[in-house]
Amino acid sequence: EAEVAQSPRYKITEKSQAVAFWCDPISGHATLYWYRQILGQGPELLVQFQDESVVDDSQLPKDRFSAERLKGVDSTLKIQPAELGDSAMYLCASSFLGDSTDTQYFGPGTRLTVL
Amino acid sequence: GDSVTQMEGPVTLSEEAFLTINCTYTATGYPSLFWYVQYPGEGLQLLLKATKADDKGSNKGFEATYRKETTSFHLEKGSVQVSDSAVYFCALLYSSASKIIFGSGTRLSIRP
Repeated sequence: EAEVAQSPRYKITEKSQAVAFWCDPISGHATLYWYRQILGQGPELLVQFQDESVVDDSQLPKDRFSAERLKGVDSTLKIQPAELGDSAMYLCASSFLGDSTDTQYFGPGTRLTVL
Repeated sequence: GDSVTQMEGPVTLSEEAFLTINCTYTATGYPSLFWYVQYPGEGLQLLLKATKADDKGSNKGFEATYRKETTSFHLEKGSVQVSDSAVYFCALLYSSASKIIFGSGTRLSIRP
């Protein structure tokens, strides 16, 4: 069964350093999402791509976070510089169409710890 | 704004017990409603969904009915198993967008 791949699974970094996370969606899925899940809370959408275009980044802290999906397939989420409050699980999801009837499939996530 | 509220955990039950996890929502329109499950060390998986009032979603013995009058979508299972131990998230999604709003999650632990 096709799955969303993410790497690394775990990342420990010091504050002010740069970190990057990678996501490879299910083949053929046009829509890709990045979520942040703080411990004890539900995921919150950071950015949504339709192919290579950003369709929603209203919750992305653009002073330090950036995301790209250059060829409309895999995607990278970057944080520079990392802050203590960025410690969380970063989840990637993909869906075929991106509309409300479409199931979002989630990857295993990258757990980030900022020291 | 739109939000989802679900019962706080952890919920601890014995195997074969009846399960209810409460979920209520606040929304200005008519969203689709979902339950996602997150097993230890894994990503979220869609458990079931309902797209309109009075719809019942079901999967793996779990059920939830979309109740517009009480703005609720409670998750139930008649007889839980140890393998059901996980974190369960209630969520909503509008037809005009694909942005999911999640509740804070309920951790379920089942004792053998």
